[in-house]
Amino acid sequence: GENVEQHPSTLSVQEGDSAVIKCTYSDSASNYFPWYKQELGKGPQLIIDIRSNVGEKKDQRIAVTLNKTAKHFSLHITETQPEDSAVYFCAASKQAGTALIFGKGTTLSVSS
Amino acid sequence: EAQVTQNPRYLITVTGKKLTVTCSQNMNHEYMSWYRQDPGLGLRQIYYSMNVEATDKGDVPEGYKVSRKEKRNFPLILESPSPNQTSLYFCASSLKTGNSPLHFGNGTRLTVT
Repeated sequence: GENVEQHPSTLSVQEGDSAVIKCTYSDSASNYFPWYKQELGKGPQLIIDIRSNVGEKKDQRIAVTLNKTAKHFSLHITETQPEDSAVYFCAASKQAGTALIFGKGTTLSVSS
Repeated sequence: EAQVTQNPRYLITVTGKKLTVTCSQNMNHEYMSWYRQDPGLGLRQIYYSMNVEATDKGDVPEGYKVSRKEKRNFPLILESPSPNQTSLYFCASSLKTGNSPLHFGNGTRLTVT
């Protein structure tokens, strides 16, 4: 079955710096790759997703890139702010009817 | 407001005492799922439901039961809780499974002593 590896497990940056979180997946049939942000005391919330027919997607300071050949995708956060501090999860799935498989999460700390 | 509502938020119980964590969504979603979150292990799926009366095991189903009698509700039942079920639990729903965004509840922190 699908396996999703996420790195790093913790990441500390200074406010204004960029942060990059990387995930690799094992099943080449996977075609949907969402990213979730979990703030303290809350459930994960979708922040951006990408499908396999797209190589990159941006939403303001957040971008996701996908390399299908290498089977990896990354989350890029530019101009980080203290409110970006949270746990971030990547996930992958195939077509409708299959489960989302999550990475183990990355704790991002942004210090001012 | 579109949301997934879990209750209770916090629960402390003793080994063997049956408990139910409720989950309700108001978005008419077909797919619902339960996850547990443990340090270093991420989100692991316990059970999921593709629609009413259709449930199936996830990755860590032992010790749990679920039911889906109505589209909006998906309770998680621990018939005989044990300390290794101490965890943070999340219910989630989506329009369809697989490639639809998941909406999560705010979690239930369970402690079994």
